[in-house]
Parts: sequence; C-alpha cells; structure tokens
Amino acid sequence: DQQVKQNSPSLSVQEGRISILNCDYTNSMFDYFLWYKKYPAEGPTFLISISSIKDKNEDGRFTVFLNKSAKHLSLHIVPSQPGDSAVYFCAASGSTSGTYKYIFGTGTRLKVLA
Amino acid sequence: DAGVTQSPTHLIKTRGQQVTLRCSPKSGHDTVSWYQQALGQGPQFIFQYYEEEERQRGNFPDRFSGHQYPNYSSELNVNALLLGDSALYLCASSLAAASPLNSPLHFGNGTRLTVT
Repeated sequence: DQQVKQNSPSLSVQEGRISILNCDYTNSMFDYFLWYKKYPAEGPTFLISISSIKDKNEDGRFTVFLNKSAKHLSLHIVPSQPGDSAVYFCAASGSTSGTYKYIFGTGTRLKVLA
Repeated sequence: DAGVTQSPTHLIKTRGQQVTLRCSPKSGHDTVSWYQQALGQGPQFIFQYYEEEERQRGNFPDRFSGHQYPNYSSELNVNALLLGDSALYLCASSLAAASPLNSPLHFGNGTRLTVT
C-alpha cells in the first residue's frame, strides 16, 4: 500500500525555466509534508516543508503547494539551475506514539539542462 | 556540528549471514529511524527508536531488529540475509519533542549492503 506516490520517475527542464514536481498521498491523517533532494552517494537532504493547515510555503527559489482536497502537493523550482539536478523525494509525516513517522514517495529524477 | 554518521559505508555478505549496521545521530537529536532504499525506489521505513525503545515499525519481518543506546546511537541488525536485502540502508535522526517543521529528518549517507 503506497501511501505517497510520485508518478513521474523523471523530468527534464531547461536552465532558467520552472521545474514542477508532483506528489499524491492517500492518508488524510498526515500533518506535515516535506521535500528532500538526493545526490548520488549521499543521503537525502531536507529542502522545504509545509504544514497541513497551510496551502503554500516559499523558501527562495523553492515553493511547495498543498491541495488537501485533492491530496496533492507540488514543488516548484524557479529558476531551475543545473545544480538542482538530483532525485527529489516527497514525504508525509504524522504522529503516532509521541514520535513522527515519515513515509516517502518513490522519487522523481530531475535533470536541468544547461 | 556533526551530522548523522553511519558505518560501514559498504558491506558485502553472503546469504544466511547476519549483519550489524551502526548510526550516530546528529548532535542534539534523540530519535533514530532506519530506512531501506532499494534501487530505483524511495526510502522504506523499517523502524524508529526513541528512549531506547522501538516506537514504530514498518512492514519488515522480525529478521530486522535494532537497538538504541543511552547516547542515542543505534544499530540495525539483519539476520538470515536474503538476496533481496541488498539495498542502501539509511539512518535518519530527529528530535522527538519537535514537529517536522522545526526538526525534519536528517539523513546519513547510508550503508550499501550487497548480499551474494
């Protein structure tokens, strides 16, 4: 049962244009949503997060949008840079037993073309 | 500020053997979670330790077990290794008292386990 899904395995974008990565989830009990970026031979690094009570959070070139009714979130990167080329994972988190558990999607490989 | 450190970096084992992977959390963190990432997949949650107890567990068999020490470091043990256990094993730490907004998971670089 895949609770968090990223249906696009890969995405190519020209440098300077917008990158839009999408993520869907099934469990309406998630309280927080996060995006992580992963380079080869490294662990995932935290990028940006959003609470379920918000619909948008912005941090520099990165903006996350949340549509609770559609159980959908997206990450916008504007403008895209070659250094953004990586695998991006969305994650959903909820609290059980006093600690937060994170469920990850399968990832989208972003390639930004110079 | 030391981040999450994992050892070893790479490991090759034979089917049926047992393996222990180690993790030291980021300074100030008290909760350790373990994930398995197979090739082309996202990280799959194995279990989480807080206050030296397993707090949450994913859909993994009992062959996967763990431990957390008083200094918050943790071990992942896998018994009776199968070929399908070959994967990148990621350790992540966080602060239990904080929400993911204030203390998101911090990952180590992982241990690449190959079972032959």
